[in-house]
Amino acid sequence: GAGVSQTPSNKVTEKGKYVELRCDPISGHTALYWYRQSLGQGPEFLIYFQGTGAADDSGLPNDRFFAVRPEGSVSTLKIQRTERGDSAVYLCASSRTGGFTEAFFGQGTRLTVV
Amino acid sequence: QKEVEQNSGPLSVPEGAIASLNCTYSDRGSQSFFWYRQYSGKSPELIMFIYSNGDKEDGRFTAQLNKASQYVSLLIRDSQPSDSATYLCAVNSEENTDKLIFGTGTRLQVFP
Repeated sequence: GAGVSQTPSNKVTEKGKYVELRCDPISGHTALYWYRQSLGQGPEFLIYFQGTGAADDSGLPNDRFFAVRPEGSVSTLKIQRTERGDSAVYLCASSRTGGFTEAFFGQGTRLTVV
Repeated sequence: QKEVEQNSGPLSVPEGAIASLNCTYSDRGSQSFFWYRQYSGKSPELIMFIYSNGDKEDGRFTAQLNKASQYVSLLIRDSQPSDSATYLCAVNSEENTDKLIFGTGTRLQVFP
């Protein structure tokens, strides 16, 4: 695709529910990153994939958060038992081989937990 | 805890002036430094990156890096109202080039 695509653009869910956020990276990009941005804050690193494998998942806040990239392209961020504190914009970025000098962010998914 | 500090602003400058945005970082091992622009409700877009001490210029933008002082700045010359946005500073380290640590951003307002 022309850019990084994230769906849905907005998601409202009830506390305790399960949600999945999808990221379609730029075609051919092997590196994929998930970040979370709360209001008034900078993006916060969650997880980085190189191909199908999670190269660094040190930013996932707890075991309610999980992400997959089974075929090395589309990635899904999964959040179980959502809490109000999970409300944020979830950003995905991709890069051709890795690093941020040529990485591009998607438009994000705004998650609101009520 | 590795930190990146920015003044949240807003920084208000008149059109045509130079806007100076500053950032300090705590990790002496940081090797790469990035400036992103983020319009309200939009995703961050990369403006510039810098690796070496000194200045790097790209059009109206100049990034300045001083590793000894752990300080990086962004100068915007001939500021335009369209430059009004939040500017995010981000750094990463040699041991993990794929993990960017962002500051909270400085909001810039350029008034006509």
